[in-house]
Amino acid sequence: GAVVSQHPSRVICKSGTSVKIECRSLDFQATTMFWYRQFPKQSLMLMATSNEGSKATYEQGVEKDKFLINHASLTLSTLTVTSAHPEDSSFYICSALHVSDYNEQFFGPGTRLTVL
Amino acid sequence: QKEVEQDPGPLSVPEGAIVSLNCTYSNSAFQYFMWYRQYSRKGPELLMYTYSSGNKEDGRFTAQVDKSSKYISLFIRDSQPSDSATYLCAMSKNSGGSNYKLTFGKGTLLTVNP
Repeated sequence: GAVVSQHPSRVICKSGTSVKIECRSLDFQATTMFWYRQFPKQSLMLMATSNEGSKATYEQGVEKDKFLINHASLTLSTLTVTSAHPEDSSFYICSALHVSDYNEQFFGPGTRLTVL
Repeated sequence: QKEVEQDPGPLSVPEGAIVSLNCTYSNSAFQYFMWYRQYSRKGPELLMYTYSSGNKEDGRFTAQVDKSSKYISLFIRDSQPSDSATYLCAMSKNSGGSNYKLTFGKGTLLTVNP
């Protein structure tokens, strides 16, 4: 299957700082990428849909000014958590949509964010 | 009522057992159904993808969809310790387009004991 990478895999930051997470599709071009967050023993919750060259579409309840998404190229989307607080600590996972018969989402390995 | 319900387990079985994992859903607009496997601290990987009601088999895995009952299942035959992971069901209303998105179940933690 196709490969999606995320960087960093783990980050610890102080409250009030901003953190940028990168999501890359390594062997295919993705006009659409998705950002999820996952709390322990909970499901993946879709935060936003990222479309190359246009504004991201945020799910209800997700603050667009806090979670900035940029999809500047067909292989890279970034999520910036601005002014992070301890409640933002979570596992953030991206996926890239591979358009084919199945239109499969390939997931990255996730980024563990801990805000102190 | 959540759109997708999945028993989080945990489920513990001996090696070689048949495992049955299930999800129910409330929105009849869901048309595409998937099962993902997620190892600890990793991203999910797609196991099975189904569209219509019925069964789909791939090796030791069988996915079953009953749209009339809004119920989907994943069966694992001859389970192995390497199958130990969290299994998430997911579903979507369409297969692509501007409104495409997946709705996930909570995931079932499976442990296969040697």
